[in-house]
Formats: sequence, structure tokens, C-alpha cells
Amino acid sequence: EDKVVQSPLSLVVHEGDTVTLNCSYEVTNFRSLLWYKQEKKAPTFLFMLTSSGIEKKSGRLSSILDKKELFSILNITATQTGDSAIYLCAVVGAGGTSYGKLTFGQGTILTVHP
Amino acid sequence: KAGVTQTPRYLIKTRGQQVTLSCSPISGHRSVSWYQQTPGQGLQFLFEYFSETQRNKGNFPGRFSGRQFSNSRSEMNVSTLELGDSALYLCASSLGLAGYTGELFFGEGSRLTVL
Repeated sequence: EDKVVQSPLSLVVHEGDTVTLNCSYEVTNFRSLLWYKQEKKAPTFLFMLTSSGIEKKSGRLSSILDKKELFSILNITATQTGDSAIYLCAVVGAGGTSYGKLTFGQGTILTVHP
Repeated sequence: KAGVTQTPRYLIKTRGQQVTLSCSPISGHRSVSWYQQTPGQGLQFLFEYFSETQRNKGNFPGRFSGRQFSNSRSEMNVSTLELGDSALYLCASSLGLAGYTGELFFGEGSRLTVL
């Protein structure tokens, strides 16, 4: 069964800090890894990663994938209170019973204090 | 462009009853996926519909079912409700199959409480 483990489960920082969120996975025939941000109820898409070592970047957020070691990190620099949210990692399988399915991790709850 | 709309937003049912939740995807999106979110289990995949056909299914009992209509709107049904079915049910739409597209657009969810 596919598995996604995120760490830490929760994190409290102050504005301006840099944070690194971790996501490790086990999946049958990896297709892609996704990051989402959930502020209230509806998660919103951040990144899709398919290739190792290629950084995806959007403003202060960036993410990279290591397919050999089966993990990804999401970095947020110069955090702001608006970054407070649950960050979700998901993997998509490409074969067998995992085909096309998104398996989510538990999420990391990030709280940014002013 | 209107987002994904889920109805009802909140509902309370008792054990043994059944419930139907509705999801209207973004116009032009043909895939609708359903997820259950609970504090203990996180986001869990229920099923995905594309062009009125169930394309994928998660590990949930047969009490959970769904369907998709020709206009891409989708409904999910839970029969014989149990206390453990209390959760936020999220619907997500995408242009193509979720596993290929990656970018899902989620609705605000339907909060189900089973008493």
C-alpha cells in the first residue's frame, strides 16, 4: 500500500523565518509528487514534481524531489502570517492498484506568528 | 470563472441514515474526485469519475458510492451511516484525469456529522 509521511506534523515560527517541510513516500511505480496548501477548507495546488533534482519555484516557495531517496522538501523563505496553513504532500502511482491514485500525507500544520 | 461548488455545506444525520452530497465542477472540467478528510486519517481518496465512468476507487466499503452526470456534475452517496463517517468530504475537479493533471481544484467541502 502506498504511503506518504510528512514531518514535522506541526511547526510554529515567527515572521521572516525560513522553514523546510519534509515528505517521504513509498509508492508502486511513481508518477508524480504534489504539494498543496490548505488554509481553511479547500486545498490549493502549489507544485507538481516528476523529475529528480529539478527545483520548482513560485515566489518565496520552492520544492525539490529526490526520487532515489524517495522524498521531497518544500521550502518557504521569509515567512509571513499568510503562510499559516496545512501543507499537504501527495504522491501519484503509475502502476497496479496505485495507478492514477493520489495518496496524501497527514500534512504539516504551519503557524507563523507576527 | 466559478469554482467547484459543493452542497450542502453542513449536514447532520443519525446512524443508519443515508446521505447524498453534490459537486459541481469548474466548467470544462471532466474529472471529479472525492476525498474524505478526518483529523486522524487525513485526506483519503474515495473515487474518481471521468466522462460519467468511475476510473479509480479507494479503499472504502461499498456503502460509499458515486456517480457522474453528462454535465460532469457528480454526487456521492453514503448509506447506512456510521459514527466514523463523520468527516469533511471534499470534491475536486480537473481538466483531465487527476493522476495525470496533478492540479486539482477543490471545493469548500461538505461537513457531515453523524450522531
